[in-house]
Amino acid sequence: EAGVAQSPRYKIIEKRQSVAFWCNPISGHATLYWYQQILGQGPKLLIQFQNNGVVDDSQLPKDRFSAERLKGVDSTLKIQPAKLEDSAVYLCASSGRTGGEKNIQYFGAGTRLSVL
Amino acid sequence: KQEVTQIPAALSVPEGENLVLNCSFTDSAIYNLQWFRQDPGKGLTSLLLIQSSQREQTSGRLNASLDKSSGRSTLYIAASQPGDSATYLCAVDQGGKLIFGQGTELSVKP
Repeated sequence: EAGVAQSPRYKIIEKRQSVAFWCNPISGHATLYWYQQILGQGPKLLIQFQNNGVVDDSQLPKDRFSAERLKGVDSTLKIQPAKLEDSAVYLCASSGRTGGEKNIQYFGAGTRLSVL
Repeated sequence: KQEVTQIPAALSVPEGENLVLNCSFTDSAIYNLQWFRQDPGKGLTSLLLIQSSQREQTSGRLNASLDKSSGRSTLYIAASQPGDSATYLCAVDQGGKLIFGQGTELSVKP
């Protein structure tokens, strides 16, 4: 079974530029998550999708971050304009369940963003 | 607001030692608690999931316990090996939303 695919693996941009990340979840997984992991910290949830609808985006900085999940499969996360503090690893995860005790999330390798 | 704390932040042990990683959380209203492994430059791999109704889970040399009343979980690794070197993260699930600790960086020396 193929895992969660993310691209690009690395991205270096200057502040105020824009950047986009792509995620392809495990086939058949209805729930998709984007997390931000700053160096030395645990991942923090940015947004959760159920099919192509948003379940939770309470921690997404909506003035500069946006995300979409077209047709309930692939997803893109965009930052515009980027700030220095956006330097982090952006992880995508997917799950076959909507929640509950047995909900396991499967993570991609992440995109490491450096903002100079 | 749920807060998850992991102690210690880093740990170095000689090969063959048994070790314990600790995780504490402030809100006991959780669906489950999960332990993940993260290798440098890679994503997270799920190691063990303990449902809120369970007390422990085992997989090979790994054993995780959960005490919801005290807000604590431990990950026990038996007979550690250099290949166990990685960062270990615990996370609690609140309605599908995972809240992570900051991780424990483990180094097992040959």
